[in-house]
Amino acid sequence: GESVGLHLPTLSVQEGDNSIINCAYSNSASDYFIWYKQESGKGPQFIIDIRSNMDKRQGQRVTVLLNKTVKHLSLQIAATQPGDSAVYFCAENKGNQGGKLIFGQGTELSVKP
Amino acid sequence: GAVVSQHPSWVICKSGTSVKIECRSLDFQATTMFWYRQFPKQSLMLMATSNEGSKATYEQGVEKDKFLINHASLTLSTLTVTSAHPEDSSFYICSARVGMQQPQHFGDGTRLSIL
Repeated sequence: GESVGLHLPTLSVQEGDNSIINCAYSNSASDYFIWYKQESGKGPQFIIDIRSNMDKRQGQRVTVLLNKTVKHLSLQIAATQPGDSAVYFCAENKGNQGGKLIFGQGTELSVKP
Repeated sequence: GAVVSQHPSWVICKSGTSVKIECRSLDFQATTMFWYRQFPKQSLMLMATSNEGSKATYEQGVEKDKFLINHASLTLSTLTVTSAHPEDSSFYICSARVGMQQPQHFGDGTRLSIL
């Protein structure tokens, strides 16, 4: 079935290093993708989004890359800080189903000081 | 901007009681709100889509009589877990969005524990 998945369930990085979190999706018709950060006991927090007519989008310390050819999405965090420790989810917006979000399994990012 | 408030944040109650959870968009109007359920160390599972002024659309396997959803205004949706049992214990999260290709903004969730 359709799904959005992540390659790595856990990622541990040193403070100051760059982090890359990957995501694969299977629905080639999806045209909008979102990255969320979820801290323990809280709801997901919007980080950045990208539409399918773009390959790259940058925010503050974050960059999302979209490769539609291989249906791959990545989130890059520059100069990772301890406050970046959380679970990161990619989500695929299903526009043909009322804009439902299909979430990936999540990657737990741990930043070592 | 785009703040979603969810209340209560934590509920502990006896088996058989009904629990109502509120989801409010504080600084925007949301024609569509969503309800999710999340188990520990797992991803979010969509339960239902709530549209203002109409019936909610439930995902396959979600009992509509068990999880009552009401979206009476553009800023408020409620989820009522009726006759709750221990297996209903979970983390329930709502979200709201302004439009179709806009991100969903999430509340901070409600941790429901049924004894």
